[in-house]
Amino acid sequence: AQSVTQLDSQVPVFEEAPVELRCNYSSSVSVYLFWYVQYPNQGLQLLLKYLSGSTLVESINGFEAEFNKSQTSFHLRKPSVHISDTAEYFCAVVSGGYNKLIFGAGTRLAVHP
Amino acid sequence: EPEVTQTPSHQVTQMGQEVILRCVPISNHLYFYWYRQILGQKVEFLVSFYNNEISEKSEIFDDQFSVERPDGSNFTLKIRSTKLEDSAMYFCASGTGVREQYFGPGTRLTVT
Repeated sequence: AQSVTQLDSQVPVFEEAPVELRCNYSSSVSVYLFWYVQYPNQGLQLLLKYLSGSTLVESINGFEAEFNKSQTSFHLRKPSVHISDTAEYFCAVVSGGYNKLIFGAGTRLAVHP
Repeated sequence: EPEVTQTPSHQVTQMGQEVILRCVPISNHLYFYWYRQILGQKVEFLVSFYNNEISEKSEIFDDQFSVERPDGSNFTLKIRSTKLEDSAMYFCASGTGVREQYFGPGTRLTVT
């Protein structure tokens, strides 16, 4: 069965600093990977996804993630974070023929002034 | 932009009572899902629904749980006899396939 590991439960960082949130997945023939963001007291919003093609995918708010098949990783990065990026970030992988999502435990990103 | 909606936003119920959580998926989507998130924990898959039947369910989704798509627009999750450990945020999601799933804002269920 597919699984996802998010290695950091919390990442504190200062505003305008770079950040990397790590995600590793269990290997499979076909891999579809996602990052979702959950702001306090809100639902899950899709941040970015990897389905095929270019291994570097970007979001509209400056985040990017790179699919690395050899390392089975899909780390999320941002070169300069804002206070408003404070949220919980979940990495997820599609599993099975009906496309259910398997989520990692989440990483709480706390951006400090 | 179309979105998934869920009602109610917060439901408080007593242990042993039945609850129905409601969702309106995006209209042209074919796959429907329920997930839950116990406070402070990760999001867990409960059940998927395709072609008017359950396509897959997790170990969590036992006989106390059921899903329905009664009228072609709503998608409901029923818990027959709630337990304290059913307290969680329940998310509905819908999608057209592997490309992505759109999540609703969630229903916070509190069982007392």
